Amino acid sequence: NAGVTQTPKFRVLKTGQSMTLLCAQDMNHEYMYWYRQDPGMGLRLIHYSVGEGTTAKGEVPDGYNVSRLKKQNFLLGLESAAPSQTSVYFCASSWTLGANVLTFGAGSRLTVL
Amino acid sequence: AQKITQTQPGMFVQEKEAVTLDCTYDTSDPSYGLFWYKQPSSGEMIFLIYQGSYDQQNATEGRYSLNFQKARKSANLVISASQLGDSAMYFCAMREGRGAQKLVFGQGTRLTINP
Repeated sequence: NAGVTQTPKFRVLKTGQSMTLLCAQDMNHEYMYWYRQDPGMGLRLIHYSVGEGTTAKGEVPDGYNVSRLKKQNFLLGLESAAPSQTSVYFCASSWTLGANVLTFGAGSRLTVL
Repeated sequence: AQKITQTQPGMFVQEKEAVTLDCTYDTSDPSYGLFWYKQPSSGEMIFLIYQGSYDQQNATEGRYSLNFQKARKSANLVISASQLGDSAMYFCAMREGRGAQKLVFGQGTRLTINP
């Protein structure tokens, strides 16, 4: 049981390039999330999804787009990368009921030059 | 205003001692949840413990317990009998309301366990 898998784990981009981070979960979770973590800080929510075909903005959504075409996948896109988007990106998923504990992926380190 | 405040950037503790990591929160929502996550140097986020705002008793999970003082809006993590493997960053987080878990995280506390 893989849990939450993020690809790629590392990526270096030049300013203005585009890329997509893929998150896949095999736990049949309804909710999925993308967070970013900057040095010395806690995680901040970028976008989230409460079900297939639905997405919503989090705390820091600017410069990112997301899609949830399949329940198990949540994609995070950067259309025109900027150095300020250099960060570690975490995907997470959770159930809809109970404590709703988030299960996190291992993180994707993105550097924008 | 900060919703989650962790006032200890770093803590150093001797192995086998108990340690308390502080966390205060700010919310006007009567329904909320409080979480603690551990982030070792390898980078993954590991769930430790959860406390719901309506829970009558403090949460416990093995060596971890949460000292929940609702009136003071504090949710301190207590680790008993610390081990070298407990060295990591620890994050307190809060979820307001129900539904999607839009967690707000504190800045974290770096815990170092000395042998």
